[in-house]
Amino acid sequence: GQNIDQPTEMTATEGAIVQINCTYQTSGFNGLFWYQQHAGEAPTFLSYNVLDGLEEKGRFSSFLSRSKGYSYLLLKELQMKDSASYLCAVRHASGGSYIPTFGRGTSLIVHP
Amino acid sequence: GAGVSQSPSNKVTEKGKDVELRCDPISGHTALYWYRQSLGQGLEFLIYFQGNSAPDKSGLPSDRFSAERTGGSVSTLTIQRTQQEDSAVYLCASSLAGTTTGELFFGEGSRLTVL
Repeated sequence: GQNIDQPTEMTATEGAIVQINCTYQTSGFNGLFWYQQHAGEAPTFLSYNVLDGLEEKGRFSSFLSRSKGYSYLLLKELQMKDSASYLCAVRHASGGSYIPTFGRGTSLIVHP
Repeated sequence: GAGVSQSPSNKVTEKGKDVELRCDPISGHTALYWYRQSLGQGLEFLIYFQGNSAPDKSGLPSDRFSAERTGGSVSTLTIQRTQQEDSAVYLCASSLAGTTTGELFFGEGSRLTVL
């Protein structure tokens, strides 16, 4: 099976930097996603990593280490609108299926 | 439409009734997923359709749950004899196979409340 761990809640200050960690155990690893979900809304795609290293996209960056089963999402220059839940999802290959399994999400609260 | 469309957005039903939830994926997306999200919980995988292949039903919690996808497009998730523990937001997502990321595009969800 798959096991994905991420902190339940984090708080940070507007303008600061925050790092949200995700550790996982899986067989047939086929990529890791980060999604953002505002309360009452659908999750939206932020980033994808399949090879080791850092992927940067504007204020958001995502890092992956496959050997350590570890990823993080880095948010810079935090804004109030970044208050949301951040979901780590690991895609695994299983019998021809490629299905992302989601962690429970990290609720990020950005305060002034 | 441009995105994944789900209906109804809200459904309140009595315990023991059957419910049907509908998902209209993005045109051309061959992969379709159903997840459910309970309060404070992560997304729980239910079922996956890919093209004309047999669906992956490994996430369905019981035989009261079933889903079909007609013509490789619209999908219906059916829950028979609903129970209170079925209360959740049911999310549908689609993706375009063959892309680098295969990112999932989610609908707004159907919130099911079983009284």
